[in-house]
Amino acid sequence: DIQLTQSPSFLSASVGDRVTITCRASQGISSYLAWYHQKPGKAPSLLIYAASTLQSGVPSRFSGSGSGTEFTLTISSLQPEDFATYYCQQFNTHPFTFGPGTTVDIK
Amino acid sequence: QVQLQQSGPGLVKPSQTLSLTCVISGDSVSSNSAAWNWIRQSPSRGLEWLGRTYYRSKWYNDYALSVKSRITINPDTSKNQVSLQLNSVTPEDTALYYCARELTSNYGRFDFWGQGTLVTVSS
Repeated sequence: DIQLTQSPSFLSASVGDRVTITCRASQGISSYLAWYHQKPGKAPSLLIYAASTLQSGVPSRFSGSGSGTEFTLTISSLQPEDFATYYCQQFNTHPFTFGPGTTVDIK
Repeated sequence: QVQLQQSGPGLVKPSQTLSLTCVISGDSVSSNSAAWNWIRQSPSRGLEWLGRTYYRSKWYNDYALSVKSRITINPDTSKNQVSLQLNSVTPEDTALYYCARELTSNYGRFDFWGQGTLVTVSS
């Protein structure tokens, strides 16, 4: 199975901060990577797919980059509604796997 | 707008079968550009993909090896829904279960999710 690791596991930030989360794959996955965020009691919600394509309706402050084994999710200016847990997920190979998550909390 | 409405029991006894249903609106279970997935989430295992069904001139299934001997995912075209059955459950199968639509073009993504069903395995 392809393992995904995320760093950091936890991030404390303020409204307006620029935030970057990294996802690393145990083997190359081309651009078969998606990013989601999840708020308590809710299902994950798609932010980015194909490593860098913004899902329709998602604010432009979210961006994704990378290919192969290293990927980043950037929030250019953190908003109050962005405090959540963020997951990366790969579609390159079965079984589809998720990263362990990065929790973004209010400083 | 696609909506996925999940239903099923929240409590299952050990060794019995977990059965959940996901009713699809706004798309077809037979869509040639989608696949219908089941994913679960628990504190110990995080988000875990279980399997999927999809139609490409015929029906296909893919399952995670961890549950392959116990899992069945079936489409029901008459009701436009997909079901999950997981046999011989143990307390380790206690989790929040989600169905999700996967768009299979352009590298794939889960763009719509059900509301989640918390299933507890306990006697």
